[in-house]
Amino acid sequence: DVKVTQSSRYLVKRTGEKVFLECVQDMDHENMFWYRQDPGLGLRLIYFSYDVKMKEKGDIPEGYSVSREKKERFSLILESASTNQTSMYLCASRRSKSTYEQYFGPGTRLTVT
Amino acid sequence: SQQGEEDPQALSIQEGENATMNCSYKTSINNLQWYRQNSGRGLVHLILIRSNEREKHSGRLRVTLDTSKKSSSLLITASRAADTASYFCATKQQGGSEKLVFGKGTKLTVNP
Repeated sequence: DVKVTQSSRYLVKRTGEKVFLECVQDMDHENMFWYRQDPGLGLRLIYFSYDVKMKEKGDIPEGYSVSREKKERFSLILESASTNQTSMYLCASRRSKSTYEQYFGPGTRLTVT
Repeated sequence: SQQGEEDPQALSIQEGENATMNCSYKTSINNLQWYRQNSGRGLVHLILIRSNEREKHSGRLRVTLDTSKKSSSLLITASRAADTASYFCATKQQGGSEKLVFGKGTKLTVNP
């Protein structure tokens, strides 16, 4: 089974802090994704990566950056956390561009105070 | 913008009953997927239907796709309390980028 893990289930940070959210997948998947999920807004794509050192902006990249130095790891960085970044963050992976099923991690609920 | 829109937003049924959820979308798609999310957890892929398919089954799940109406439905038969979750449709646009666009979900409650 594919396993996608995220570094924290719950995280509380202060406004202005730099925040790192880590995601690791163990099935040698090429593609990885970061979403945020908010009530009434559904899932929105922040960034995605087709392969190592590659990244593409999603629908809401502002205030975020990503890093993919190794194939199995995709990090989401909040350069200076703000209260409007309080959300559930979901990481997902996909085998390749020619497949469609995405495998999700359990999510990180981030609160910025 | 959201591609898929599910309805109803919330559905409450008794164990053993069937649950039907609908998804509408706006542009031509390559395929449509359904995912389930238990409260506070990640999403789990349930089923994928391609644009040239009209119906697909997987266990107690039945998915239909009507590309002329740009809509899909997910039927869960003989529901169980463990089916309580939110259900999302996700579309991959034809000719568009590789990303999926998710709807806002239907929250299903199955009462024992």
